[in-house]
Amino acid sequence: AQSVTQLDSHVSVSEGTPVLLRCNYSSSYSPSLFWYVQHPNKGLQLLLKYTSAATLVKGINGFEAEFKKSETSFHLTKPSAHMSDAAEYFCVLFSTGGGNKLTFGTGTQLKVEL
Amino acid sequence: SQTIHQWPATLVQPVGSPLSLECTVEGTSNPNLYWYRQAAGRGLQLLFYSVGIGQISSEVPQNLSASRPQDRQFILSSKKLLLSDSGFYLCAWSTRQYRELFFGEGSRLTVL
Repeated sequence: AQSVTQLDSHVSVSEGTPVLLRCNYSSSYSPSLFWYVQHPNKGLQLLLKYTSAATLVKGINGFEAEFKKSETSFHLTKPSAHMSDAAEYFCVLFSTGGGNKLTFGTGTQLKVEL
Repeated sequence: SQTIHQWPATLVQPVGSPLSLECTVEGTSNPNLYWYRQAAGRGLQLLFYSVGIGQISSEVPQNLSASRPQDRQFILSSKKLLLSDSGFYLCAWSTRQYRELFFGEGSRLTVL
């Protein structure tokens, strides 16, 4: 069975400080992992993806994530938060052994304060 | 480039009324199509997915149904809405490799 755990349901940071959104996964097969962002009343937008190439993945808007197989983690980071980063973030797992289906995390709400 | 359109954006319906949400994709052929629901304070729940015209797989038993009358058209329907059907409905498409999803802007359904 495959699963995704987003360790924090809410994260609050000050503008200009680093962002860390944590994601752990469980998969019996080689995973593909994604981070999506959702602004209020909008669809989900792909931030970045890991598909067994480089373990450090760079995405849009200055975000990046590192795939760590030994820790089964795929944490999302950004060096300096901007007010426009306030949104909900979803970590998503795809595994060929999981019936070719995506498994969504429960989401992390990021708040950015002045 | 590919685009996905979903409508209506918002909908307020009485209990027991019918529902039709429509989604179309442009700029790609033979996409996989998906309907997700996002209830308040909860994650995304896969409702239906389709790998081709007329091929619908249901993930959750409910009073909703889906149809795919054309390659790039996906419709979510109900004959009689329940209060519990309220939520944010998202259509998405992916390539045949089932990897990253591309989402529409969503439809906010409120059942009163």
